[in-house]
Amino acid sequence: NAGVTQTPKFQVLKTGQSMTLQCAQDMNHNSMYWYRQDPGMGLRLIYYSASEGTTDKGEVPNGYNVSRLNKREFSLRLESAAPSQTSVYFCASRSGGSGANVLTFGAGSRLTVL
Amino acid sequence: KNQVEQSPQSLIILEGKNCTLQCNYTVSPFSNLRWYKQDTGRGPVSLTIMTFSENTKSNGRYTATLDADTKQSSLHITASQLSDSASYICVVSGQAGTALIFGKGTTLSVSS
Repeated sequence: NAGVTQTPKFQVLKTGQSMTLQCAQDMNHNSMYWYRQDPGMGLRLIYYSASEGTTDKGEVPNGYNVSRLNKREFSLRLESAAPSQTSVYFCASRSGGSGANVLTFGAGSRLTVL
Repeated sequence: KNQVEQSPQSLIILEGKNCTLQCNYTVSPFSNLRWYKQDTGRGPVSLTIMTFSENTKSNGRYTATLDADTKQSSLHITASQLSDSASYICVVSGQAGTALIFGKGTTLSVSS
């Protein structure tokens, strides 16, 4: 099983450019998440989707948009990238919203905004 | 405010030695606490989960403890190996429907 697959793994953007990070899971999970990880900050939730057709803001949603395309796919879009969005982005999924359900993470996408 | 604090921030030990990582939380009401291991350049992977009624749980050389009264958890690694070099993240969950609270992690380096 592939688990959670993220693309691209690395990306360099110029300030103002746009891009979409793709995420797909093959575990039939209902809930999907986007996190960013910065040195000394830990993982912070950007957006999540509790089920197909729903999305909600997390702790740091400004500058991002998401789309839950179907049950498998959850994309994160940066409309006008800023240097402050330089980070490592992780997509994760789990079977339900209960905290007892383990999060399965992708390998991460490293984004640099110049 | 719900918070998770981990200590130490970083740790260097010799291969074969034991170590203990700490996690203190203020999340209330409490549902469960999970330890994740994150290798460099990879996503976090769950090591173990502790619920309110559990005091100790082992997963190979990893042993997690939980004291729900003092709101503290520890992760003890026995006979460390080079492959244990990673960040260890403590994540606390409140009651159903509440957000997961992440600690900032402890970076462990095991040297030969």
